[in-house]
Amino acid sequence: QLQESGPGLVKPSQTLSLTCTVSGGPINGGDYYWNWIRQPAGKGLEWIGRVYTSGNTYYHPAFSSRVTISIDTSNSQFSLKLTSVTAADTAVYYCARGTGRLNFDPWGQGSLVTVSS
Amino acid sequence: DIQLTQSPSFLSASVGDRVTITCRASQDISSYLAWYQQKPGKAPKLLIYSASTLQSGVPSRFSGRGSGTEFTLTISSLQPEDFATYSCQRLNRYPISFGQGTRLEMK
Repeated sequence: QLQESGPGLVKPSQTLSLTCTVSGGPINGGDYYWNWIRQPAGKGLEWIGRVYTSGNTYYHPAFSSRVTISIDTSNSQFSLKLTSVTAADTAVYYCARGTGRLNFDPWGQGSLVTVSS
Repeated sequence: DIQLTQSPSFLSASVGDRVTITCRASQDISSYLAWYQQKPGKAPKLLIYSASTLQSGVPSRFSGRGSGTEFTLTISSLQPEDFATYSCQRLNRYPISFGQGTRLEMK
């Protein structure tokens, strides 16, 4: 299981920080990678980036200048930091486990983050 | 980036209907395509991966076909719990991306 946690409200220009806690199995087992995805209200899913347990990351170019994804295998957690947020970053943020070029499964329940002063 | 375009964006159907949703890729993505179901306020649920492999526990009325640039998701006989939004996802190379979604509503 995956569970997102973090502030639900972030002020414009500040940094959005979320953590995903992985339970029910080791975060460093298998050929998995760990993803962040977001979904603005009424819109489609946007992949933000991923991290392997080695710490290797890949970010979507649309976010690469503002995003950092890190992993803490000792606590079975991985994290998202998105800097200089604006109202356009208001969305439900999901974490999900990726398996090769196959799929994302499972997903966390999602965490609504609102950017507002 | 390789774009995924789903059609239709909105579909109205009745229980028992057979429905098909199409996902077209702007370039060849082989069979690296997955389908998800999402209900309001819930996370996406994996239905199909590798274009046609049914995820464990997913009812057999769901099926997927295609390769290259054109893919379909078919529900053979709609059940009340199938009314939801369906999204395709390509995983052939980075950046990973999703289609815009198809909202399936009850007629």
